[in-house]
Amino acid sequence: GEDVEQSLFLSVREGDSSVINCTYTDSSSTYLYWYKQEPGAGLQLLTYIFSNMDMKQDQRLTVLLNKKDKHLSLRIADTQTGDSAIYFCAESLNAGNMLTFGGGTRLMVKP
Amino acid sequence: ETGVTQTPRHLVMGMTNKKSLKCEQHLGHNAMYWYKQSAKKPLELMFVYNFKEQTENNSVPSRFSPECPNSSHLFLHLHTLQPEDSALYLCASSPSGTGPYGYTFGSGTRLTVV
Repeated sequence: GEDVEQSLFLSVREGDSSVINCTYTDSSSTYLYWYKQEPGAGLQLLTYIFSNMDMKQDQRLTVLLNKKDKHLSLRIADTQTGDSAIYFCAESLNAGNMLTFGGGTRLMVKP
Repeated sequence: ETGVTQTPRHLVMGMTNKKSLKCEQHLGHNAMYWYKQSAKKPLELMFVYNFKEQTENNSVPSRFSPECPNSSHLFLHLHTLQPEDSALYLCASSPSGTGPYGYTFGSGTRLTVV
């Protein structure tokens, strides 16, 4: 079955790098995504990576994918207080457009 | 604005009331979703519609009744809810088919059942 897991909480200091981790169980994942949810808002798509890639960089965001270990991470460089939010990873499978979400990681950035 | 609009943003209802949540998108997407988000279960899929047809019902109690009159609109009709149904209800949409589309989410309706 499908299962996507994340740690619940991460606290970092402003200016440091944040690394949010995610593990998934289904090896047929096609795309993997990172979403950000700010308080009182819906989920916003941050970035995605295709399953045949190892890394994707987009400004301060770096996504690393270890397909062998089924491990996905999101690194945020120079973390700012505005990065405080809940981050969800998600996977989509070959069968279609359905996404399976992790439980979310709450990132707290201390000034 | 993300392109997916949910109304109302906040709703307080009694257990005997009947109310409806509305979701609207004009992104040309053909799939629409209802999610429940609460402290107990961060993101709980409720219903999925593809091309106006319901393709997933995740064992949701019958006091929640979805309606999808066309690919742009999705409703969630609520009646005789319980206090434990208080949560953030999120609507999302996506193109049908495979591809790196992801979902586009609305801002949610914060529901409080008293």
